[in-house]
Amino acid sequence: NAGVTQTPKFQVLKTGQSMTLQCAQDMNHNSMYWYRQDPGMGLRLIYYSASEGTTDKGEVPNGYNVSRLNKREFSLRLESAAPSQTSVYFCASRHPKGEGDTQYFGPGTRLTVL
Amino acid sequence: AQSVTQPDIHITVSEGASLELRCNYSYGATPYLFWYVQSPGQGLQLLLKYFSGDTLVQGIKGFEAEFKRSQSSFNLRKPSVHWSDAAEYFCAAHSGGYQKVTFGIGTKLQVIP
Repeated sequence: NAGVTQTPKFQVLKTGQSMTLQCAQDMNHNSMYWYRQDPGMGLRLIYYSASEGTTDKGEVPNGYNVSRLNKREFSLRLESAAPSQTSVYFCASRHPKGEGDTQYFGPGTRLTVL
Repeated sequence: AQSVTQPDIHITVSEGASLELRCNYSYGATPYLFWYVQSPGQGLQLLLKYFSGDTLVQGIKGFEAEFKRSQSSFNLRKPSVHWSDAAEYFCAAHSGGYQKVTFGIGTKLQVIP
């Protein structure tokens, strides 16, 4: 049981390049989330998927797109990277069901945009 | 609007001293409450959670938290801090179901010998 996995762990991009961050969970959770973490700003929600087949914008969606590929996988795409997108990105999953309703996090992707 | 407030951005304690990290929430009804810890360069690990029942909850690594409805607080405590507790701590809340999770901005704990 690997929990939530993310690839890659580190990435350096040049301004204007595109890339996709991958996330997978093996806990059979319905909901998945993408956050970014910046110093002094805590975690900010980029996009989330309450269940397979649905996606919704969070607090800071501009410059990002997401795909809920299936129940296990939720990817985040940067179409044209900008230096302001330099951040640490965390994927999380959660199954909204009573006392099991806890969010679990992946190890993060550290992205630098030059 | 729903919010979670961690009033202390940075706290320094001596090893062996007691610790209390503050968290206040603003929700229409009592939310589910969580504390996470993040060590440098790592992801977020769940320390403990409160859903209902006993207002004092025990977590991993010797941490506990007390839910106080009258103060809308969920403060994290540890009787004796170890150097390995140096990390950033996040309080979080949600209303259950498919509601989004709201995080505080985090409290960075420094432990001095």
